[in-house]
Amino acid sequence: QKEVEQDPGPLSVPEGAIVSLNCTYSNSAFQYFMWYRQYSRKGPELLMYTYSSGNKEDGRFTAQVDKSSKYISLFIRDSQPSDSATYLCAMGRGGASGTYKYIFGTGTRLKVLA
Amino acid sequence: NAGVTQTPKFQVLKTGQSMTLQCAQDMNHEYMSWYRQDPGMGLRLIHYSVGAGITDQGEVPNGYNVSRSTTEDFPLRLLSAAPSQTSVYFCASSYGSFANTGELFFGEGSRLTVL
Repeated sequence: QKEVEQDPGPLSVPEGAIVSLNCTYSNSAFQYFMWYRQYSRKGPELLMYTYSSGNKEDGRFTAQVDKSSKYISLFIRDSQPSDSATYLCAMGRGGASGTYKYIFGTGTRLKVLA
Repeated sequence: NAGVTQTPKFQVLKTGQSMTLQCAQDMNHEYMSWYRQDPGMGLRLIHYSVGAGITDQGEVPNGYNVSRSTTEDFPLRLLSAAPSQTSVYFCASSYGSFANTGELFFGEGSRLTVL
């Protein structure tokens, strides 16, 4: 079983729709939860970061973490064509001797139609 | 401020050839890492480093070597290229502490094809 599972999509929505992207994970040691956005032929960029259960809002984006269910979500309100990208969830945990481990989901391709 | 710079952006190799992918960052980050990205597989960690002189293996280290002689540079060496190493390679760096945002800063990627 993969440590992080993410629906690969692709997901097509009309402009203005609410988008819900989800990931599940199996390792309860993960403490940090992130969403990255990756445009075509570019490197991923951090979109949202949180380390606690609950919601975190930033403009049109809301990140939700449910540690008891090992489930995280990213909601995009009023989606725009410029939101068309691949969205990757990522989980992180620290370790001994300054080691860090980030595990990424496979990414969900989103297309917002004008 | 250039961020994370990867070279080359594109490379075609023949099976058995060796090469080095270069990665440099100018943000004084302690943590640097190499990922490969394949369709349906997501980003998989190859090797990482938490500081100059310190490296460790990630999920898929076989066929790759790294070294970290300076804070700025973290080259990835392919010892004897195989078609299975055809992929997009990303270098990423971080302050190394989740006490900040935990943000990984990625380069633009290096597209490698092994024939």
